[in-house]
Amino acid sequence: EVQLVESGGDLVQPGGSLRLSCAASGFTFSNYWMTWVRQAPGKGLEWVANIKQDGSDKYYVDSVRGRFTISRDNAKNSLYLQMNSLRAEDTAVYYCARDPGGYDLWGQGTLVSVSS
Amino acid sequence: SSELTQDPSVSVALGQTVRITCQGDSLRTSFASWFQQRPGQAPRLVIYGKNNRPSGIPDRIYGSRSGDTASLTIIGARAEDEGDYYCNSRDSSGNHLKVIFGGGTKLTVL
Repeated sequence: EVQLVESGGDLVQPGGSLRLSCAASGFTFSNYWMTWVRQAPGKGLEWVANIKQDGSDKYYVDSVRGRFTISRDNAKNSLYLQMNSLRAEDTAVYYCARDPGGYDLWGQGTLVSVSS
Repeated sequence: SSELTQDPSVSVALGQTVRITCQGDSLRTSFASWFQQRPGQAPRLVIYGKNNRPSGIPDRIYGSRSGDTASLTIIGARAEDEGDYYCNSRDSSGNHLKVIFGGGTKLTVL
């Protein structure tokens, strides 16, 4: 089955760190750009970061640049998001998505809550 | 500016046609993608590129662009079309490539 499955979401204190994972299956993961998109409770979608097929190019939304790092392991068919110096405003459901020119495959999301 | 503007809500009578719009400077050079999100679900791609539909999306749903405005048109609206619709596009106007989403339009089918 073609799918993406996120994991790693949790409740974390402000200033803390968290690593999200996205496991891909059913397609050739290494052929695709991949993206993280988040959605704060009751709010709209926000693009967070994306990464090229071989990991050589990475882009971030301004609000996370320098705090978050996107990476991938094509041998493990996995996408990651390392989140450091977390803030309350980072609270959201985080989705990974496949990007062949449009985000055509999404995971179910993983919830990150930043609160003391 | 690096923003995409959508109307917060739109309603349509069952079986009628509705158009959802998305306006922003980035749309002059990049096509919009459109996503439907139903409550409690992940977003689903409905239109990408000039007017491309993923498998499973009916041809009564189509996309178009004029100047700085992209539109998603649904012909013969059905109850299953209800949900939040988001547009997005690439924005390469600054020093860093980025992707922007519109604020979303809540579609109600009456």
